[in-house]
Amino acid sequence: EADIYQTPRYLVIGTGKKITLECSQTMGHDKMYWYQQDPGMELHLIHYSYGVNSTEKGDLSSESTVSRIRTEHFPLTLESARPSHTSQYLCASMSAGSGYTFGSGTRLTVV
Amino acid sequence: AQTVTQSQPEMSVQEAETVTLSCTYDTSESDYYLFWYKQPPSRQMILVIRQEAYKQQNATENRFSVNFQKAAKSFSLKISDSQLGDAAMYFCAYRGNSGGSNYKLTFGKGTLLTVNP
Repeated sequence: EADIYQTPRYLVIGTGKKITLECSQTMGHDKMYWYQQDPGMELHLIHYSYGVNSTEKGDLSSESTVSRIRTEHFPLTLESARPSHTSQYLCASMSAGSGYTFGSGTRLTVV
Repeated sequence: AQTVTQSQPEMSVQEAETVTLSCTYDTSESDYYLFWYKQPPSRQMILVIRQEAYKQQNATENRFSVNFQKAAKSFSLKISDSQLGDAAMYFCAYRGNSGGSNYKLTFGKGTLLTVNP
Protein backbone atom coordinates (compact mmCIF):
# COMPACT_ATOMS: atom_id res chain seq x y z
CA GLU A 1 0.00 0.00 0.00
CA ALA A 2 1.22 3.48 -0.85
CA ASP A 3 2.08 5.97 1.89
CA ILE A 4 2.59 8.73 -0.61
CA TYR A 5 -0.25 9.80 -2.83
CA GLN A 6 -0.28 11.67 -6.07
CA THR A 7 -3.33 13.05 -7.81
CA PRO A 8 -4.45 13.07 -10.50
CA ARG A 9 -2.99 9.89 -11.95
CA TYR A 10 -3.61 11.07 -15.52
CA LEU A 11 -4.28 14.57 -16.81
CA VAL A 12 -4.87 15.92 -20.31
CA ILE A 13 -5.17 19.69 -20.54
CA GLY A 14 -5.00 22.45 -23.09
CA THR A 15 -2.11 24.81 -23.63
CA GLY A 16 -2.12 27.84 -21.37
CA LYS A 17 -4.04 26.24 -18.52
CA LYS A 18 -2.88 26.46 -14.92
CA ILE A 19 -2.55 23.13 -13.15
CA THR A 20 -1.52 21.84 -9.74
CA LEU A 21 -0.23 18.33 -9.20
CA GLU A 22 -0.87 17.11 -5.69
CA CYS A 23 1.50 15.05 -3.55
CA SER A 24 0.83 14.01 0.03
CA GLN A 25 2.61 11.62 2.38
CA THR A 26 1.54 10.20 5.72
CA MET A 27 4.95 9.15 7.01
CA GLY A 28 6.04 12.46 8.51
CA HIS A 29 9.07 12.58 6.23
CA ASP A 30 10.87 15.91 6.20
CA LYS A 31 12.46 15.63 2.76
CA MET A 32 10.34 15.60 -0.38
CA TYR A 33 11.25 15.61 -4.06
CA TRP A 34 9.72 16.07 -7.51
CA TYR A 35 11.18 14.22 -10.45
CA GLN A 36 10.25 14.73 -14.09
CA GLN A 37 10.41 11.66 -16.30
CA ASP A 38 10.55 12.53 -19.97
CA PRO A 39 9.09 10.34 -22.73
CA GLY A 40 12.53 8.74 -23.13
CA MET A 41 12.18 7.61 -19.48
CA GLU A 42 15.08 9.67 -18.10
CA LEU A 43 14.49 11.03 -14.60
CA HIS A 44 15.46 14.54 -13.60
CA LEU A 45 15.16 16.22 -10.22
CA ILE A 46 13.22 19.47 -10.61
CA HIS A 47 12.38 20.49 -7.02
CA TYR A 48 13.07 19.42 -3.46
CA SER A 49 12.26 20.45 0.07
CA TYR A 50 13.92 19.85 3.42
CA GLY A 51 10.86 20.77 5.42
CA VAL A 52 8.13 23.32 5.94
CA ASN A 53 8.83 26.61 4.14
CA SER A 54 11.92 25.13 2.49
CA THR A 55 11.99 24.67 -1.29
CA GLU A 56 14.89 24.45 -3.71
CA LYS A 57 15.28 24.02 -7.45
CA GLY A 58 16.72 20.76 -8.66
CA ASP A 59 19.18 19.82 -11.38
CA LEU A 60 16.82 20.40 -14.29
CA SER A 61 15.45 23.86 -14.85
CA SER A 62 11.68 23.81 -14.69
CA GLU A 63 8.98 26.43 -15.20
CA SER A 64 6.98 24.83 -12.42
CA THR A 65 6.86 26.05 -8.83
CA VAL A 66 6.35 24.23 -5.54
CA SER A 67 5.30 25.04 -2.02
CA ARG A 68 5.68 23.33 1.37
CA ILE A 69 3.27 24.83 3.85
CA ARG A 70 2.64 21.55 5.65
CA THR A 71 5.02 18.66 6.20
CA GLU A 72 2.77 16.17 4.48
CA HIS A 73 1.91 18.23 1.40
CA PHE A 74 4.19 19.22 -1.52
CA PRO A 75 2.17 20.42 -4.52
CA LEU A 76 3.66 21.37 -7.88
CA THR A 77 2.10 24.14 -10.00
CA LEU A 78 2.40 25.05 -13.66
CA GLU A 79 1.02 28.54 -14.28
CA SER A 80 0.70 28.11 -18.04
CA ALA A 81 1.07 24.59 -19.38
CA ARG A 82 2.76 23.94 -22.73
CA PRO A 83 3.21 20.79 -24.83
CA SER A 84 6.86 20.70 -23.73
CA HIS A 85 5.59 20.02 -20.19
CA THR A 86 4.20 16.67 -21.28
CA SER A 87 5.88 14.16 -18.97
CA GLN A 88 5.37 11.90 -16.02
CA TYR A 89 5.89 13.64 -12.69
CA LEU A 90 7.01 11.53 -9.75
CA CYS A 91 6.86 12.69 -6.15
CA ALA A 92 8.99 11.07 -3.45
CA SER A 93 9.72 11.48 0.24
CA MET A 94 12.56 10.42 2.49
CA SER A 95 13.75 10.68 6.05
CA ALA A 96 17.22 10.05 7.46
CA GLY A 97 17.71 6.34 7.89
CA SER A 98 15.03 5.39 5.42
CA GLY A 99 15.01 5.06 1.70
CA TYR A 100 12.91 6.90 -0.78
CA THR A 101 9.21 6.22 -1.12
CA PHE A 102 7.71 7.13 -4.48
CA GLY A 103 4.17 7.99 -5.40
CA SER A 104 2.44 6.41 -8.38
CA GLY A 105 3.10 9.44 -10.55
CA THR A 106 1.02 11.86 -12.58
CA ARG A 107 1.12 11.41 -16.33
CA LEU A 108 0.56 14.87 -17.81
CA THR A 109 -0.29 15.51 -21.44
CA VAL A 110 -0.59 19.07 -22.70
CA VAL A 111 -2.34 19.43 -26.04
CA ALA B 1 28.70 16.17 -9.56
CA GLN B 2 27.69 12.56 -9.33
CA THR B 3 26.87 10.65 -12.50
CA VAL B 4 25.35 7.24 -13.04
CA THR B 5 25.84 5.33 -16.29
CA GLN B 6 23.87 2.36 -17.53
CA SER B 7 25.48 1.22 -20.75
CA GLN B 8 22.76 -1.27 -21.75
CA PRO B 9 19.62 0.47 -23.06
CA GLU B 10 17.92 -2.91 -23.55
CA MET B 11 18.47 -6.47 -22.39
CA SER B 12 16.54 -9.67 -22.87
CA VAL B 13 16.55 -12.97 -21.00
CA GLN B 14 14.77 -16.28 -21.25
CA GLU B 15 12.42 -17.19 -18.46
CA ALA B 16 14.25 -19.07 -15.67
CA GLU B 17 17.64 -17.87 -16.88
CA THR B 18 20.01 -15.36 -15.24
CA VAL B 19 20.71 -11.85 -16.44
CA THR B 20 23.10 -9.14 -15.24
CA LEU B 21 22.46 -5.42 -15.65
CA SER B 22 25.46 -3.09 -15.55
CA CYS B 23 25.88 0.22 -13.78
CA THR B 24 28.87 2.46 -13.15
CA TYR B 25 28.97 5.70 -11.22
CA ASP B 26 31.27 8.57 -10.51
CA THR B 27 31.58 10.32 -7.17
CA SER B 28 34.13 11.94 -4.89
CA GLU B 29 32.12 11.09 -1.78
CA SER B 30 33.03 8.22 0.51
CA ASP B 31 29.65 7.75 2.17
CA TYR B 32 26.77 6.94 -0.13
CA TYR B 33 24.05 4.50 -1.08
CA LEU B 34 23.38 2.72 -4.34
CA PHE B 35 20.01 1.42 -5.45
CA TRP B 36 18.32 -0.54 -8.16
CA TYR B 37 14.73 0.46 -8.91
CA LYS B 38 12.25 -1.34 -11.10
CA GLN B 39 9.59 0.54 -13.07
CA PRO B 40 6.97 -1.71 -14.70
CA PRO B 41 4.47 -0.41 -17.27
CA SER B 42 2.35 0.92 -14.40
CA ARG B 43 5.17 3.48 -13.92
CA GLN B 44 5.32 2.88 -10.16
CA MET B 45 8.93 3.10 -8.97
CA ILE B 46 9.73 0.01 -6.90
CA LEU B 47 12.88 -0.47 -4.84
CA VAL B 48 14.59 -3.74 -5.76
CA ILE B 49 17.76 -3.63 -3.69
CA ARG B 50 20.09 -1.19 -1.95
CA GLN B 51 23.73 -1.18 -0.98
CA GLU B 52 25.52 0.96 1.58
CA ALA B 53 28.96 1.97 0.36
CA TYR B 54 30.64 1.18 3.69
CA LYS B 55 29.49 -2.44 3.55
CA GLN B 56 31.80 -4.79 1.72
CA GLN B 57 29.26 -7.57 1.58
CA ASN B 58 27.08 -7.56 -1.50
CA ALA B 59 23.37 -7.07 -0.87
CA THR B 60 20.93 -9.87 -1.71
CA GLU B 61 17.14 -9.92 -1.88
CA ASN B 62 15.74 -13.30 -2.87
CA ARG B 63 16.49 -13.71 -6.61
CA PHE B 64 18.19 -10.31 -6.83
CA SER B 65 21.81 -9.71 -5.92
CA VAL B 66 24.42 -7.09 -6.63
CA ASN B 67 28.11 -7.11 -7.41
CA PHE B 68 29.43 -3.97 -5.74
CA GLN B 69 32.99 -3.05 -6.70
CA LYS B 70 33.72 0.15 -4.82
CA ALA B 71 37.19 0.81 -6.22
CA ALA B 72 35.95 0.32 -9.76
CA LYS B 73 32.73 2.26 -9.00
CA SER B 74 30.67 -0.54 -10.43
CA PHE B 75 27.30 -1.78 -9.20
CA SER B 76 25.71 -4.53 -11.29
CA LEU B 77 22.40 -6.28 -10.64
CA LYS B 78 21.99 -10.02 -11.14
CA ILE B 79 18.51 -11.47 -11.54
CA SER B 80 18.38 -15.23 -11.12
CA ASP B 81 15.58 -17.52 -12.27
CA SER B 82 14.02 -14.68 -14.28
CA GLN B 83 10.25 -14.47 -14.26
CA LEU B 84 7.82 -12.81 -16.66
CA GLY B 85 6.97 -10.31 -13.92
CA ASP B 86 10.56 -9.11 -13.90
CA ALA B 87 10.03 -7.41 -17.24
CA ALA B 88 10.39 -3.69 -16.62
CA MET B 89 12.66 -0.68 -16.89
CA TYR B 90 15.47 -0.93 -14.33
CA PHE B 91 17.18 2.17 -12.99
CA CYS B 92 20.44 2.33 -11.11
CA ALA B 93 20.55 5.24 -8.66
CA TYR B 94 23.04 6.96 -6.38
CA ARG B 95 22.42 8.93 -3.21
CA GLY B 96 25.00 10.76 -1.18
CA ASN B 97 24.75 10.47 2.58
CA SER B 98 25.78 13.93 3.62
CA GLY B 99 23.70 17.07 3.92
CA GLY B 100 25.72 18.66 1.16
CA SER B 101 24.38 16.10 -1.31
CA ASN B 102 20.82 17.12 -0.41
CA TYR B 103 20.12 13.38 -0.17
CA LYS B 104 18.88 13.51 -3.74
CA LEU B 105 18.81 10.48 -5.99
CA THR B 106 20.75 10.59 -9.23
CA PHE B 107 19.46 8.07 -11.77
CA GLY B 108 20.99 6.34 -14.73
CA LYS B 109 19.10 6.36 -18.01
CA GLY B 110 17.64 2.92 -17.42
CA THR B 111 17.81 -0.56 -18.94
CA LEU B 112 14.67 -2.04 -20.45
CA LEU B 113 14.52 -5.73 -19.56
CA THR B 114 12.43 -8.12 -21.63
CA VAL B 115 11.72 -11.64 -20.37
CA ASN B 116 10.95 -14.17 -23.06
CA PRO B 117 8.75 -17.17 -22.22
